[in-house]
Amino acid sequence: SQQGEEDPQALSIQEGENATMNCSYKTSINNLQWYRQNSGRGLVHLILIRSNEREKHSGRLRVTLDTSKKSSSLLITASRAADTASYFCATDAGGSNYKLTFGKGTLLTVNP
Amino acid sequence: SQTIHQWPATLVQPVGSPLSLECTVEGTSNPNLYWYRQAAGRGLQLLFYSVGIGQISSEVPQNLSASRPQDRQFILSSKKLLLSDSGFYLCAWSVGTQETQYFGPGTRLLVL
Repeated sequence: SQQGEEDPQALSIQEGENATMNCSYKTSINNLQWYRQNSGRGLVHLILIRSNEREKHSGRLRVTLDTSKKSSSLLITASRAADTASYFCATDAGGSNYKLTFGKGTLLTVNP
Repeated sequence: SQTIHQWPATLVQPVGSPLSLECTVEGTSNPNLYWYRQAAGRGLQLLFYSVGIGQISSEVPQNLSASRPQDRQFILSSKKLLLSDSGFYLCAWSVGTQETQYFGPGTRLLVL
């Protein structure tokens, strides 16, 4: 079964606006990661947040983690057309550092 | 720097034919290797992972098998393809206990 579930499934915004995507998971985790996938390409790692962290920044990305609610959010500020992609959250499966469980993703479209 | 290669990029195969997809990693030693399948509009499903030569763990019962004949080579195979084997196959690697995975460009397989 899927560990991570992103919402919304699709999000369309204008360039310059902020985009927020959410991820919920079911079991305890050691860390949560966000990945990006351009259409027809492999996934690219964006950011990792550990279970003892509440917020992390990387450039225009801001990730929050609420372990009490088993949820995370990815905020992309000042979006650009080049940010158009699918975004996936991934959690370590059963505490194993070897395996990740991915959600179904959010398709973000940034209109110029 | 590390790089990961997958080939072919696209493959169209008839039902019942064999399959061999290859993944190789450069620039790192003893990587953990992974095969994922991604159906259209869906998240990633982990198929196999390997922590060393000849060590293969299968995540889901299926028509596929995997082998790791060399440290940085991971092969996905099938003796007889089914229609349901169609999808986007992604290879990934990680190192030791580091949680981040690095993905190849993927192979799009269409079984007709």
